[in-house]
Amino acid sequence: GAVVSQHPSRVICKSGTSVKIECRSLDFQATTMFWYRQFPKKSLMLMATSNEGSKATYEQGVEKDKFLINHASLTLSTLTVTSAHPEDSSFYICSALDRVNEQFFGPGTRLTVL
Amino acid sequence: GENVEQHPSTLSVQEGDSAVIKCTYSDSASNYFPWYKQELGKGPQLIIDIRSNVGEKKDQRIAVTLNKTAKHFSLHITETQPEDSAVYFCAASKRGGNQFYFGTGTSLTVIP
Repeated sequence: GAVVSQHPSRVICKSGTSVKIECRSLDFQATTMFWYRQFPKKSLMLMATSNEGSKATYEQGVEKDKFLINHASLTLSTLTVTSAHPEDSSFYICSALDRVNEQFFGPGTRLTVL
Repeated sequence: GENVEQHPSTLSVQEGDSAVIKCTYSDSASNYFPWYKQELGKGPQLIIDIRSNVGEKKDQRIAVTLNKTAKHFSLHITETQPEDSAVYFCAASKRGGNQFYFGTGTSLTVIP
C-alpha cells in the first residue's frame, strides 16, 4: 500500500511555544490530506481537511488560528500548533487520499507540552 | 450525515479462534468500507476494504462481508494470533467523496 510519513514522531515542548508537524505522501500525490487528533483509548477525531493549494477546512470546534495547516504541495501538508498549552498534548495523526480515494495514515506524532 | 456504529468495543479470544467485529452505517449512499488496524503508539493501517459492488472480500486470514440491504459490514479474522491484538476501526465513505466516518474502535486481545 501507499506510504505516508510523519515527522517528528515525538516532540516535547514548553508551554507557549509553537510546534510544526510534517506529513508526507512518499509514493503518491495527494490533493487531500487529513489531520486527526486521538486521545488515549479513543477513536480518531478529525480536526481538518487539508486541500492542496487552498485553505484547509476545519471541523467545528477546532480553532484555525491555533492549528495552522498548510498544504503547499501534492506530497506535503504541515500542522503547526501555535502557542501550545498542556491541554494540546495528544497523539496527532495525518492521512492522505490516493487517486482512488483510499486513505492511508501516517505513523502519528506524540506531542507533550510541559 | 453518516453515522457508523461499531461493536463490540472490546473482544478477547483464544489464540487460534476466530474474531468478528461488526459495523453498521446509516447512509445508503456510502459505498466504500475500509478497515484499519492500529497498534499501540502507531497510526492506523489499512488492512482490507470492500466496495459496495461486492458482498465479500478475503485476504488470507482476514475477510470482510457487506450487506447493503441491512447496511452492515463485518470483519472476520480466522486462526487468530497474538500479533492480531490491536484496535480495529471500521469506516464508511462515499464514491468520490473525501469524508470518512469512523466507528469507535474495537480493542482485540488474542490470548496465547
